[in-house]
Amino acid sequence: DAGVIQSPRHEVTEMGQEVTLRCKPISGHDYLFWYRQTMMRGLELLIYFNNNVPIDDSGMPEDRFSAKMPNASFSTLKIQPSEPRDSAVYFCASSLASGRPQYFGPGTRLLVL
Amino acid sequence: QKEVEQDPGPLSVPEGAIVSLNCTYSNSAFQYFMWYRQYSRKGPELLMYTYSSGNKEDGRFTAQVDKSSKYISLFIRDSQPSDSATYLCAMRNPDNAGNMLTFGGGTRLMVKP
Repeated sequence: DAGVIQSPRHEVTEMGQEVTLRCKPISGHDYLFWYRQTMMRGLELLIYFNNNVPIDDSGMPEDRFSAKMPNASFSTLKIQPSEPRDSAVYFCASSLASGRPQYFGPGTRLLVL
Repeated sequence: QKEVEQDPGPLSVPEGAIVSLNCTYSNSAFQYFMWYRQYSRKGPELLMYTYSSGNKEDGRFTAQVDKSSKYISLFIRDSQPSDSATYLCAMRNPDNAGNMLTFGGGTRLMVKP
């Protein structure tokens, strides 16, 4: 299996622009998670889906953040408008079922100028 | 106080040393325990996954869980420079719906040749 795939790997944008991050989970995994990682705050869970349905989005910092999972093999995390404090590494992870470990993608390194 | 505490390090050891990495937690409901390794500019990679108290061994790695003390450890035998990375512990409360993990902040390990 190719593992979790994320794109782009790097994104540099200017404040106010829309940013879209993409994720393809491991085939057959029912759960998909979006995380943000910074030096100050570590790994933070933003939102997770079960069978394409958003279950808990309490970690989404503001209304500027939105996530969708239109099908079992694709999810997006969108930031509109982006701000410099959104600069971080964003990870997508998937897991087979409840109680099973999560497998992470390589991350998207976002820099908002 | 965070639910999961982990010394950030850095922990510097000579090649060949036995390394002990630890996490303490406050929530006795945690049942599933994981260790992830994260190389610089990469995503977290699952190393060990355990459910019960006791030891689990995989090559040079041993995971130990002491639920009575709310303490988990990862031991690395014959450490190599390639083990230099940040190690994150993670755990899950099965009473919570879904599959969310609670992560420690990570310990940075440096193995010097």
